[in-house]
Amino acid sequence: DVKVTQSSRYLVKRTGEKVFLECVQDMDHENMFWYRQDPGLGLRLIYFSYDVKMKEKGDIPEGYSVSREKKERFSLILESASTNQTSMYLCASSLKGYGYTFGSGTRLTVV
Amino acid sequence: AQRVTQPEKLLSVFKGAPVELKCNYSYSGSPELFWYVQYSRQRLQLLLRHISRESIKGFTADLNKGETSFHLKKPFAQEEDSAMYYCALNSNTGNQFYFGTGTSLTVIP
Repeated sequence: DVKVTQSSRYLVKRTGEKVFLECVQDMDHENMFWYRQDPGLGLRLIYFSYDVKMKEKGDIPEGYSVSREKKERFSLILESASTNQTSMYLCASSLKGYGYTFGSGTRLTVV
Repeated sequence: AQRVTQPEKLLSVFKGAPVELKCNYSYSGSPELFWYVQYSRQRLQLLLRHISRESIKGFTADLNKGETSFHLKKPFAQEEDSAMYYCALNSNTGNQFYFGTGTSLTVIP
């Protein structure tokens, strides 16, 4: 089975902190994604990547950046965390044309 | 532009009753549609995809291109079906998915 591992299940950070969310997949998938999941809003795409060192903005990239230095790892960075970034963050990976495999999620609280 | 609409945020049915979770889409090509499910405290996971034409956990979904719908159905709901369900559409490139806002299903004992 493909495994997508998110490094933290819960995080609490202070406003203004720089936050790193890590995601690793172990099946050599080309595509990796970061979503945030909010009640009533569903899943919203933040950033995605089709290859190493490649990134594309999703629907809500403001306040976020990403890094993909290795194929298996896709990091989401909150440059200066704000309270409106409190959310559940989901990482996913896929092969082109196939369904996503999701990580367990990181619930981030910004205080 | 691709768009996926799930009109019901919350849906409650009694155990043993039929259930239908609605999904409509707009897409300028040949769509590939999926249903994902998230049980309490578990990760989001693929339930079924339309090209497989399979039944998973008693659920089926038929792609209706005329009505641009991909409704998820089960004839007899079970308590363990209580979960959040997301409909998703695969983009032209095959790389990116577009998700609906989700429907929270509660099956009442």
